[in-house]
Amino acid sequence: AQSVTQPDIHITVSEGASLELRCNYSYGATPYLFWYVQSPGQGLQLLLKYFSGDTLVQGIKGFEAEFKRSQSSFNLRKPSVHWSDAAEYFCAVAPRNSASKIIFGSGTRLSIRP
Amino acid sequence: DAGVTQSPTHLIKTRGQHVTLRCSPISGHKSVSWYQQVLGQGPQFIFQYYEKEERGRGNFPDRFSARQFPNYSSELNVNALLLGDSALYLCASSLRPQTNEKLFFGSGTQLSVL
Repeated sequence: AQSVTQPDIHITVSEGASLELRCNYSYGATPYLFWYVQSPGQGLQLLLKYFSGDTLVQGIKGFEAEFKRSQSSFNLRKPSVHWSDAAEYFCAVAPRNSASKIIFGSGTRLSIRP
Repeated sequence: DAGVTQSPTHLIKTRGQHVTLRCSPISGHKSVSWYQQVLGQGPQFIFQYYEKEERGRGNFPDRFSARQFPNYSSELNVNALLLGDSALYLCASSLRPQTNEKLFFGSGTQLSVL
């Protein structure tokens, strides 16, 4: 079955510290991979996506993610977090080039310690 | 340009009632998708419409229905509401329905069923 696992429900990091949010997926073939961010009371905003090519992808707001096929992982990283990064982060997968649904993980809530 | 707009922003209903949620996509976007986000979980795909035709349906009961109008706006209808239907309902639009198209999300409609 297709699924996305985000093992960390809640993470707290100090402002200025580095961040890594974990994401593992189960899929028949290499899917499209996404990270979205959701601030309180807001919809989701796309941070970055992986379709093919370089396995290290750069996104908005200084985020990056690395696709590791052997580990079925797509972890999100940021070298130095800001208080404004506090939000809910969702990893997602979708089948390639089809009109079909995107499957979201359950999310990781990020809190920033001043 | 306006983003994806959803109405109403909040709604309170009682069990057994019917509800209609509305979504206006970004101008020029012809694909609209609906997602249900229960508190503490990631969004779950409900429907996708493109050019007024249903292109995808998630694992939801027949009480859930949707349609898309000639101006590409969309309605999500839920009949015989249950307590478990309480959730944030998100609408997303894109130029086309393929999964490599960027999704733009609205801020959602928060539905509470009492």
